[in-house]
This record gives sequence, structure tokens and C-alpha cells, in this order.
Amino acid sequence: DTQMTQSPSALSASVGDRVTITCRASQTISSLLAWYQQKPGKAPRLLIHTASSLEGGVPSRFSGSGSGTEFTLTISSLQPDDFAIYYCQQYKTYSPTFGLGTKVEIK
Amino acid sequence: EVQLVQSGGGLVQPGGSLRLSCAASGFAFSSHTMHWVRQAPGKGLEYVSAVSGDGDSTYYADSVKGRFTISRDNSKNTLYLQMGSLRVEDMAVYYCARGPWNSGYYYFDHWGQGTLVTVSS
Repeated sequence: DTQMTQSPSALSASVGDRVTITCRASQTISSLLAWYQQKPGKAPRLLIHTASSLEGGVPSRFSGSGSGTEFTLTISSLQPDDFAIYYCQQYKTYSPTFGLGTKVEIK
Repeated sequence: EVQLVQSGGGLVQPGGSLRLSCAASGFAFSSHTMHWVRQAPGKGLEYVSAVSGDGDSTYYADSVKGRFTISRDNSKNTLYLQMGSLRVEDMAVYYCARGPWNSGYYYFDHWGQGTLVTVSS
């Protein structure tokens, strides 16, 4: 299986901050990477697929980049609604795998 | 509006069985591969299983292969997960999830609300 390593595992930030989360794949996955946001007690929500394609309805402050084995999710100006856990997921294979998540907390 | 409404979770003893359902509406159900993803309490997301739009192809994670069966009824717009020989480590919130339209890619653009499966004696 392709292992997905996210960093950091948690971060504290203030409203208005620029936040970057990194996801590394143990082998190349081309651009077959998705990012999800999950709030407590809720299902995950798709933010980005194909590494950088913003899902419909997702605010433009979210962006994704990368290819191969290294990817980033950036929130350009953190808003109160963005405090959540973020997961990356590779879908290069029919055995998709997720990162362990990055918890974004209020500073 | 796309909706995935889950039912069927609950408490089951180790070795027992349970069937989860996911009723879909608001989209062409048979045009989407459907999936199950689970999340153990306080843990991350784990992929479980997939079924193609026509129901002919299925995929299982090694952790559930031979114990779980995914299926769908396109006439009822419903996805199922029959779980057998349940283990304590299967305890989790189970989510049904939709794959993108007419695509073989295994990412998930809509999710059900989740249903808790508790495995305990």
C-alpha cells in the first residue's frame, strides 16, 4: 500500500493566517490526490481532487498543489469555519489510503 | 440535492453480523461507483470497500476481505454492506461515499452521515 504522511499533525493558527499542510506519498501517485476537511461529529467534506482542482462550493481561499510524491494544501486566510481536521488521500491505486490528518486549532 | 442517508448500525457481539444500508437520492445512482469508508473512534479514515455502478465489480480492503460483502440495488438506489465475523477492531463509524460521475477514480465527493458500529460482548 502507498503510505501517506501528513505534516504537521497539528497546528495552532489565528484567523487571517496563511496555513500550509504537507502530504507526502511513499511512492509516486501522479496528481491523484484529494484533500478533505472533517469537523467533529461530521462526515468528511471533499475540498480538492486531482491535487489542485477545487471542488464546487469550496471557498477559493483553499488551494492545492504538487505532483508525484509531495503535495500541499494551503488556506490563504484562515477563517473561523476552517478549524477542523484535514486529511489527504491518494487514489492512484484501487487501495486508496489516507494520511493521519492535520488538526488546525485556534491560537 | 445529493443525499446519502445511512441506517443499520448498532451494537453487535464479536463474531456477529450486521448489515448497513445507504439510501441515495438526487443523482443518477447507477452512474457512480459507491464506497464504504470507516473511522475508528478518535482515529483516522480507513478505506473499506467499493462497488462499481453496475454492481459487477467489487473491491475490499485486506482487513475485511472474506468477512464483508458490498452490494447495491440500483432499482432502489441503495448501497449495502453486509458485515460478518465482526471483530472488536471493526468498531467504527462507517460512512458510505459516492465516487465521481462515470469515473474509476476512488475519491469521494459526497458522504453519508455515518453510522456507528459497536462490537462488544
